[in-house]
Parts: sequence; C-alpha cells; structure tokens
Amino acid sequence: DAGVTQSPTHLIKTRGQQVTLRCSPKSGHDTVSWYQQALGQGPQFIFQYYEEEERQRGNFPDRFSGHQFPNYSSELNVNALLLGDSALYLCASSYLAGGPNEQFFGPGTRLTVL
Amino acid sequence: GEDVEQSLFLSVREGDSSVINCTYTDSSSTYLYWYKQEPGAGLQLLTYIFSNMDMKQDQRLTVLLNKKDKHLSLRIADTQTGDSAIYFCAENPLTGTASKLTFGTGTRLQVTL
Repeated sequence: DAGVTQSPTHLIKTRGQQVTLRCSPKSGHDTVSWYQQALGQGPQFIFQYYEEEERQRGNFPDRFSGHQFPNYSSELNVNALLLGDSALYLCASSYLAGGPNEQFFGPGTRLTVL
Repeated sequence: GEDVEQSLFLSVREGDSSVINCTYTDSSSTYLYWYKQEPGAGLQLLTYIFSNMDMKQDQRLTVLLNKKDKHLSLRIADTQTGDSAIYFCAENPLTGTASKLTFGTGTRLQVTL
C-alpha cells in the first residue's frame, strides 16, 4: 500500500498566479481532506471531499477550490495567489463510515509564493 | 468554539518519560488524536482515544483523557532520540460525523543524550 501520495513535492509561484495540487488517497479510502500548514503552526482545515462533492469547508476564501474524481483522487486549486498562501499543503484520506475518523496524511506540497 | 492549545516546547533526556499536554474546548468531540510530524514531513497518526474512555495504552504510548477538564495528555515511555519531533493533538469537533480535524499549534519534543 503506497499510502497517501501528493504531487508535486515543491512548487514556486508568483503572486497572482494559479496553482493545482494533487492527492491520491490510501487504498480503500473514499474521503479526502485538505489542510494548510503555515510555518510554525498546526494544520488548518480547508475542505473535505466525498463522493465527488465538497462536504465541509473551513474558513478559506473562494480562491481555494477543489475537486474529487471517481477514483477518489483529489485536486486543490488556488487562484490569484497571495504571499500569505505560502505554506505546506497537506492532503489526508479517510474512510467516511469508519468510526474513529482516522485521517492519514500525505507528505505535503510545499508552496512558495514570491 | 474550537480551540486546541498546547505548550510549545518540551525537552527530556533519552530514557526518561515525556508528557505532552493539550487542552481543547469542544465538549462534543467524539475522538481525540495525537499526530507526530518530523522535519519536512507530513503528519503520522500515533493514536486516538474515544471520548468515553479515560485511558488508552499502545506500547510506549499512553493517552489520558480528562473530559471534565477537557485535558488530553500523551505519555511516551523510555523516550528515544527518534521521538524528537513536533506532536499535535487534534479534535474531531462534530459528533458522529467524520469531518474536519482541529489541531493545536504543536509541541516540539527535543530528546537529549
């Protein structure tokens, strides 16, 4: 089992650009959540996808959008990048019906906005 | 409201026990979690505890939950240098729903020889 994978590992963009980050969940998982982790902080919830729909959303602007595909993989898109969007973006997968809601994280994508 | 607090730093000697503390605010949380993050890496789920339990032990890890005080702790027995990392506690704030996790700011554990 490859676990949760994310691509790319690192990314450098300039202000105003758009970015797409990708995530493949752990085998058997049907739910993908995205988190933003700024330097020195804990992860902050962006949104969660299940059955190709956004199921829950955190306090992030509409510039942050996502998608889930039939194979459960997911993308995070950020438009009109700001310097403050520089962070580690983490994807976590889980099985919705699983009681403990164990979320397994990928290694993250480090986004730098210049 | 949702707020999870942790102390920022803990230093222990190799072989000693480490105790990392966390307080949370959402009394509806059904599960509480401990994650470990090594430099430049994602988060590794260490263990979790269901809210109707007081204690859970898993090898060198012991989780204690005081629901009345909304206090969670993680004890690592026989701490090793490989345990040096940032430890996050997290709560699942919506009852019965697999949903977002709310994380603390993390406690950096430094293990010295």
